[in-house]
Amino acid sequence: AQSVTQLDSQVPVFEEAPVELRCNYSSSVSVYLFWYVQYPNQGLQLLLKYLSGSTLVESINGFEAEFNKSQTSFHLRKPSVHISDTAEYFCAVSEVITGRRALTFGSGTRLQVQP
Amino acid sequence: DAMVIQNPRYQVTQFGKPVTLSCSQTLNHNVMYWYQQKSSQAPKLLFHYYDKDFNNEADTPDNFQSRRPNTSFCFLDIRSPGLGDAAMYLCATSGQGGTGELFFGEGSRLTVL
Repeated sequence: AQSVTQLDSQVPVFEEAPVELRCNYSSSVSVYLFWYVQYPNQGLQLLLKYLSGSTLVESINGFEAEFNKSQTSFHLRKPSVHISDTAEYFCAVSEVITGRRALTFGSGTRLQVQP
Repeated sequence: DAMVIQNPRYQVTQFGKPVTLSCSQTLNHNVMYWYQQKSSQAPKLLFHYYDKDFNNEADTPDNFQSRRPNTSFCFLDIRSPGLGDAAMYLCATSGQGGTGELFFGEGSRLTVL
């Protein structure tokens, strides 16, 4: 079975500063990796995903994440954050196996962007 | 736009009074999930349907039931809500043979008085 660890429960940062949200996973097989974002009182929205190919993946709003197989990590970064990036961010994995898949979520990181 | 729709967005019920939450999808996905999310926690999978095949998580209380009358709709029934069942309930879908990527609804927030 797989597991996901998000070490930082909260990350305060000033507007326009860079940020990194850390995610480490554990799995005995190959995985797909995801970052979801959740704004207050809303569902989860897919931010970006790694399925295969280039280990660096980007979102349309400036976030990027890099899959590092040797370190079993998928950290999320943004070079300059905005107030509107304030939200909860969840890292998730699913195993690359045939048949049914279910996502396993990390405990989440609350990004608080301050003016 | 294809989407996942949950109703109601906010539900207030009394202790022990049954409640039903609904989820509909226009994505034609064959897998539908119900997650429970308490404040500042990760979503916790309650159960999922793979087509009509119901899969219950081992630690999901018997108080929680689900129905899927057709591909588009799925319901979550809480037979006797307790104070500990107050949470956001998230419905999600995924396609067959996919990567596990989930498509979420906006959620239904349940308050138990």
